[in-house]
Amino acid sequence: AAGVIQSPRHLIKEKRETATLKCYPIPRHDTVYWYQQGPGQDPQFLISFYEKMQSDKGSIPDRFSAQQFSDYHSELNMSSLELGDSALYFCASSLEQGASSYEQYFGPGTRLTVT
Amino acid sequence: KQEVTQIPAALSVPEGENLVLNCSFTDSAIYNLQWFRQDPGKGLTSLLLIQSSQREQTSGRLNASLDKSSGRSTLYIAASQPGDSATYLCAGGGNTGKLIFGQGTTLQVKP
Repeated sequence: AAGVIQSPRHLIKEKRETATLKCYPIPRHDTVYWYQQGPGQDPQFLISFYEKMQSDKGSIPDRFSAQQFSDYHSELNMSSLELGDSALYFCASSLEQGASSYEQYFGPGTRLTVT
Repeated sequence: KQEVTQIPAALSVPEGENLVLNCSFTDSAIYNLQWFRQDPGKGLTSLLLIQSSQREQTSGRLNASLDKSSGRSTLYIAASQPGDSATYLCAGGGNTGKLIFGQGTTLQVKP
């Protein structure tokens, strides 16, 4: 079965640089979520999109922005990177929010290292 | 604001033992509760999803229960195996679908 695809899997950037993380949801899934997991931490919700519209926003820095495209893939753009942005970034997808099930399927994550 | 807590933070058991992982949440208005497994440095694998209207879900050796009134969920693992060693995370889902995670329980099953 197809899973959530994230690219790149690993990314090394320097401080103040920008980074773009991509997420391709499971086919027919129209909702995408982004989470950040710092070292030794639990995943923290950043932002979500349903049908290309932002549906919820968590503790996402103003330096970060995201969008969902017409083919439902999503991109997380991170600017002015800081050392503290080093983390594992997960994307998850699910079927429409209106459905009773919000079971989320997670991608393998993008490991971002800021030096 | 939803807060999710997991106890214990770490657990070590001998192979074959049955065990229970605990998860508590503060906001009873959750839409669902999901249990995940995470291996070191890896992604999250969904184990079980319990809808708010359900009391429990079972998959193989795993059984998860949900008691909204007391704000608790448990994950029961029967006949534990060394391959079950991982971190187990529970997460409460809200009406927009976002998940609030607990800090996880790191399980070690010794052969």
